[in-house]
Amino acid sequence: GAVVSQHPSWVICKSGTSVKIECRSLDFQATTMFWYRQFPKQSLMLMATSNEGSKATYEQGVEKDKFLINHASLTLSTLTVTSAHPEDSSFYICSARGQTGSSTDTQYFGPGTRLTVL
Amino acid sequence: EDQVTQSPEALRLQEGESSSLNCSYTVSGLRGLFWYRQDPGKGPEFLFTLYSAGEEKEKERLKATLTKKESFLHITAPKPEDSATYLCAVLTGNQFYFGTGTSLTVIP
Repeated sequence: GAVVSQHPSWVICKSGTSVKIECRSLDFQATTMFWYRQFPKQSLMLMATSNEGSKATYEQGVEKDKFLINHASLTLSTLTVTSAHPEDSSFYICSARGQTGSSTDTQYFGPGTRLTVL
Repeated sequence: EDQVTQSPEALRLQEGESSSLNCSYTVSGLRGLFWYRQDPGKGPEFLFTLYSAGEEKEKERLKATLTKKESFLHITAPKPEDSATYLCAVLTGNQFYFGTGTSLTVIP
């Protein structure tokens, strides 16, 4: 149980285009979803937290107009990187938290999306 | 200030050489402590949740323990496939704090 999927697993795009990444909780309802960014050999950097039906809360320094997050349902959140530039190239990982078994505390992570902007 | 520190940053073990990874924390009102395993190019994989001092959880060669100030991830007789980065995270209130991880390499 507690499976989170991400799509696509990798994407290459041209500078100036927008890219959408989907995150789905497959076997539980995710009341909260998180989006992280990870650079090589570094730890997770939280970008934003979103609760279903509410606007996302962005961490300091994360441009909300550039990284659009939508948490439209209890099983789906999307991250859109708008007008992507090479510096946005990174590994993006989502996680979900909800009622799984007897716990609502644990975050379950997706497999990640590798974004390369040319 | 709430903080999570993992040590060592990197650890090389011979196959079969048991050891422990440390996660120390200074947070107010711990709600839970979590251990994850992350392989290169993949998302973290959930291992354990610990809620109170004295609690222990086991899975194959891994055992996680919790005190009021730290958690240990004990690895017994590791195998090369245990090589990965191990992350711990604490939940306080509604805020998660992640450590920077311990990169474990198990040499055959």
